[in-house]
Amino acid sequence: QKEVEQNSGPLSVPEGAIASLNCTYSDRGSQSFFWYRQYSGKSPELIMSIYSNGDKEDGRFTAQLNKASQYVSLLIRDSQPSDSATYLCAAVSGSARQLTFGSGTQLTVLP
Amino acid sequence: DTAVSQTPKYLVTQMGNDKSIKCEQNLGHDTMYWYKQDSKKFLKIMFSYNNKELIINETVPNRFSPKSPDKAHLNLHINSLELGDSAVYFCASSQRGQELGGYTFGSGTRLTVV
Repeated sequence: QKEVEQNSGPLSVPEGAIASLNCTYSDRGSQSFFWYRQYSGKSPELIMSIYSNGDKEDGRFTAQLNKASQYVSLLIRDSQPSDSATYLCAAVSGSARQLTFGSGTQLTVLP
Repeated sequence: DTAVSQTPKYLVTQMGNDKSIKCEQNLGHDTMYWYKQDSKKFLKIMFSYNNKELIINETVPNRFSPKSPDKAHLNLHINSLELGDSAVYFCASSQRGQELGGYTFGSGTRLTVV
């Protein structure tokens, strides 16, 4: 079982819709979770971090964490074509507390 | 002012060659990492150094050897390159105790072995 798993995608949504990206993790000791955005040919860019159960909002982005279900999600409201990218979920896990990534979900926002 | 810089950005080389990738960060972080991203976009950690000390050494061939001359630099040397080594290699840095800040990534080195 992979330590961090994401729904495989690709995911397409129309412009203005809500995009929902999901992630589960296996290490119950994980405390910190991150969403990175990666445009094609670019490096991953941190867009959200969350460590408490519940929701955390930042502009059009909302991260949700449910530690009991070992589930993390990212909602993007009013999706724009510029949001089209691969979204990587990550968790701090492992004996050295390193950042472990999921395989990513490719999101396309259609104009 | 680039926070994490890697050189070179692109590297095309023949099988069997030896090559190095350099990484430098000016964020004052004490921990640096090498990640490998394959064609399916999966980012996998290879090595991590904290204050020049190796703390993570995942299962990678021993043809890969990291070196950290100081906490601002982490280089990656690869011997006897193979076709399967073709990937994008990312350097990253972070500060212990500030994990909520996540990692800062360099722009990547696209290695192509022919």
